[in-house]
Amino acid sequence: AQSVTQPDIHITVSEGASLELRCNYSYGATPYLFWYVQSPGQGLQLLLKYFSGDTLVQGIKGFEAEFKRSQSSFNLRKPSVHWSDAAEYFCAVAPYSSASKIIFGSGTRLSIRP
Amino acid sequence: DAGVIQSPRHEVTEMGQEVTLRCKPISGHNSLFWYRQTMMRGLELLIYFNNNVPIDDSGMPEDRFSAKMPNASFSTLKIQPSEPRDSAVYFCASKDPGTSGSRNEQFFGPGTRLTVL
Repeated sequence: AQSVTQPDIHITVSEGASLELRCNYSYGATPYLFWYVQSPGQGLQLLLKYFSGDTLVQGIKGFEAEFKRSQSSFNLRKPSVHWSDAAEYFCAVAPYSSASKIIFGSGTRLSIRP
Repeated sequence: DAGVIQSPRHEVTEMGQEVTLRCKPISGHNSLFWYRQTMMRGLELLIYFNNNVPIDDSGMPEDRFSAKMPNASFSTLKIQPSEPRDSAVYFCASKDPGTSGSRNEQFFGPGTRLTVL
């Protein structure tokens, strides 16, 4: 069965520091991979996605993620965080063959230290 | 496009009452999803529709929950009777049939925060 693990429940980083949020997935083949962000009181917004091709994908708001098949990982990175990046971040996986069903991780809450 | 529209944004009701949540997907999208988000269980898929037909309702917690999609532009999630443990944020999302590049991207509504007293 597919699953997504986000091992860090809560991370605090200083404004201007670099960020890496971890995501590991379990799936028998190459899946679709996503990162979503949820600001307080808001719905989820897609940051970036990986379907195939270049394993380093660029997203909105200066985020990027790298797909590493050997590690079954899809970590999210940002070189310099801003206070407005404080939010909940969700990694998600969907089967390559499926039209629809996405499995979400439990989320990582990001706090920014001034 | 206005995005996915959900109503109401907030609902407070008493235990035993019927609750109906509404969703209007993005025009042209042919898949619609209902999710529930709680602190304890995170984001759970309740049910999804393709072309107005329910495809997978395995996430619906019990018979008190039902969902309908009478046409391509409207869906409802009903809870009857409601219980305090149903308190959560309920999200609706939609997806277009598109090419492979966009096929699996879901667009979320702002959610309905339900409180059952």
